[in-house]
Amino acid sequence: AQSVTQLGSHVSVSEGALVLLRCNYSSSVPPYLFWYVQYPNQGLQLLLKYTSAATLVKGINGFEAEFKKSETSFHLTKPSAHMSDAAEYFCAVSGTGSYIPTFGRGTSLIVHP
Amino acid sequence: DTAVSQTPKYLVTQMGNDKSIKCEQNLGHDTMYWYKQDSKKFLKIMFSYNNKELIINETVPNRFSPKSPDKAHLNLHINSLELGDSAVYFCASRPLGQGEKLFFGSGTQLSVL
Repeated sequence: AQSVTQLGSHVSVSEGALVLLRCNYSSSVPPYLFWYVQYPNQGLQLLLKYTSAATLVKGINGFEAEFKKSETSFHLTKPSAHMSDAAEYFCAVSGTGSYIPTFGRGTSLIVHP
Repeated sequence: DTAVSQTPKYLVTQMGNDKSIKCEQNLGHDTMYWYKQDSKKFLKIMFSYNNKELIINETVPNRFSPKSPDKAHLNLHINSLELGDSAVYFCASRPLGQGEKLFFGSGTQLSVL
């Protein structure tokens, strides 16, 4: 069984501020973890993924995430928010042997000028 | 060329009608999916399909049925449409292998009146 919890349905930051989007997972097997971004009226696209090679994962557009097994977390960060980062962000998990990822409920990132 | 394409982009129809949404991927992937995204952005898996098996989310009404004429296509048929079927439907695909990302189409916004 696998599940994902994203804390905060909305996160609001000022342009230039740190972005932190939280994701906690539950998986009975070693997990593969993903962050996807969805811009308005578009499909989801991958930001980054964790596949056990390294606990700190760098993705596109300056985002990164750190896998912490002890905390069962995979939080997404970006040092400095840009207006173009405003979007919906989804954390997802799939376990070894499963090819059906489970998505969190999403976090809407709002960036203020 | 678009990797995962869905048609139509928008679909407006009356209650009780039968409709189809088409999905094609030109990536040579073995596994395809249909997801439903509700008004709160929650993504729910409906079906996953590869050339060996179809996995159906047991909560999906049997009015919904996937049809795969070949490996590159997974169409979604919906019979007797209901108001609650209004949502955005996403097709996705992925290659075989552990930890592979999903490639999403741009979505079909279905409005049932």
